[in-house]
Amino acid sequence: ETGVTQTPRHLVMGMTNKKSLKCEQHLGHNAMYWYKQSAKKPLELMFVYNFKEQTENNSVPSRFSPECPNSSHLFLHLHTLQPEDSALYLCASSQDLAGVGEKLFFGSGTQLSVL
Amino acid sequence: RKEVEQDPGPFNVPEGATVAFNCTYSNSASQSFFWYRQDCRKEPKLLMSVYSSGNEDGRFTAQLNRASQYISLLIRDSKLSDSATYLCVVNIQAGTALIFGKGTTLSVSS
Repeated sequence: ETGVTQTPRHLVMGMTNKKSLKCEQHLGHNAMYWYKQSAKKPLELMFVYNFKEQTENNSVPSRFSPECPNSSHLFLHLHTLQPEDSALYLCASSQDLAGVGEKLFFGSGTQLSVL
Repeated sequence: RKEVEQDPGPFNVPEGATVAFNCTYSNSASQSFFWYRQDCRKEPKLLMSVYSSGNEDGRFTAQLNRASQYISLLIRDSKLSDSATYLCVVNIQAGTALIFGKGTTLSVSS
């Protein structure tokens, strides 16, 4: 148990659906992240929030919409996704923005399949 | 050139073997370095940080070579439970997100 909880663990959705991924951290961390992990590719950073303010958007398509209502919760709203968006979506948190010696704590991820 | 490069493997070794992974990074200004471990269908977890002087944690030894821009992970006396993907992770500067390599897969067999 890393202290970062993600739901749902698995999600299958059609290209016209709207769904949301949820992440909650119980570690008192200030920074939260969304990463995407596709087969045979490195983890790709999607979004970074620090003290619930977005500090980084790594050229992510607008069909992915993050929301961070407070420092403990992070959402990823999904709409009109494409089959190539199928991947493992990982939420992570760190005490402060990743810096010298800063460590990331990951949630278990949501395995997303877009049909 | 990719920012963080690793040999994807897989490395297939018998129990008790010593195995080493290397990772190269492109940005000479990189400041901090880590090895994360990821089991199949699980999330990555921090294995160890890598310090300039090198560091050891039980059977695991991490080394950093700034001049050649690579870091290494040595695993001695491999166990079946060491089977996983090992991710090399680099931070270029404080306040920016970590950069992950694709990972090196290790399979330890009895």
